[in-house]
Amino acid sequence: GQQLNQSPQSMFIQEGEDVSMNCTSSSIFNTWLWYKQDPGEGPVLLIALYKAGELTSNGRLTAQFGITRKDSFLNISASIPSDVGIYFCAGHLKDSNYQLIWGAGTKLIIKP
Amino acid sequence: SAVISQKPSRDICQRGTSLTIQCQVDSQVTMMFWYRQQPGQSLTLIATANQGSEATYESGFVIDKFPISRPNLTFSTLTVSNMSPEDSSIYLCSVVANEQFFGPGTRLTVL
Repeated sequence: GQQLNQSPQSMFIQEGEDVSMNCTSSSIFNTWLWYKQDPGEGPVLLIALYKAGELTSNGRLTAQFGITRKDSFLNISASIPSDVGIYFCAGHLKDSNYQLIWGAGTKLIIKP
Repeated sequence: SAVISQKPSRDICQRGTSLTIQCQVDSQVTMMFWYRQQPGQSLTLIATANQGSEATYESGFVIDKFPISRPNLTFSTLTVSNMSPEDSSIYLCSVVANEQFFGPGTRLTVL
């Protein structure tokens, strides 16, 4: 099925560094969602975005809904060890009812 | 949000057998889904569990292989039938409660 292009695939960073990841598509989205998945767990919703240009923060996390409605980014500031995990973007296409389209995930690894 | 629990959390099964996974939600929800996540991959929607009627399956998934029950608005089961090693995955229950939330998953290994 259709997927979002999520990058990077993985990141190795030092504790305290800022992190940035993004998702792009050739299609227009109505909603962008960012999830984090820890090993052995289901994805947990971090941030939901509903409007083009919307910038939303959740603690050290900030995400934006691109103006073109075809992209979104997630930033994590001052990373800490518990930030490790896999981050997924997902979205609802314009004119779609419920089906989520998923990115392939960004694996975040933090070197202490 | 919604609190979702799944049973079992993990299982190791023999080829040719079937496993039924249960999903319980702490509130009534209209939309409930079952996903599969193969090792190192993103999530793939198997089907929408419809209360009081047959589930709606996505392309590549069929009722004979993945029968689903949804007897009420807080509970659903997914059965993985006649299992093979290719069915080894994490199976996730998901519901919509303003946004889409996920259960902890069931990690299935088929030998």
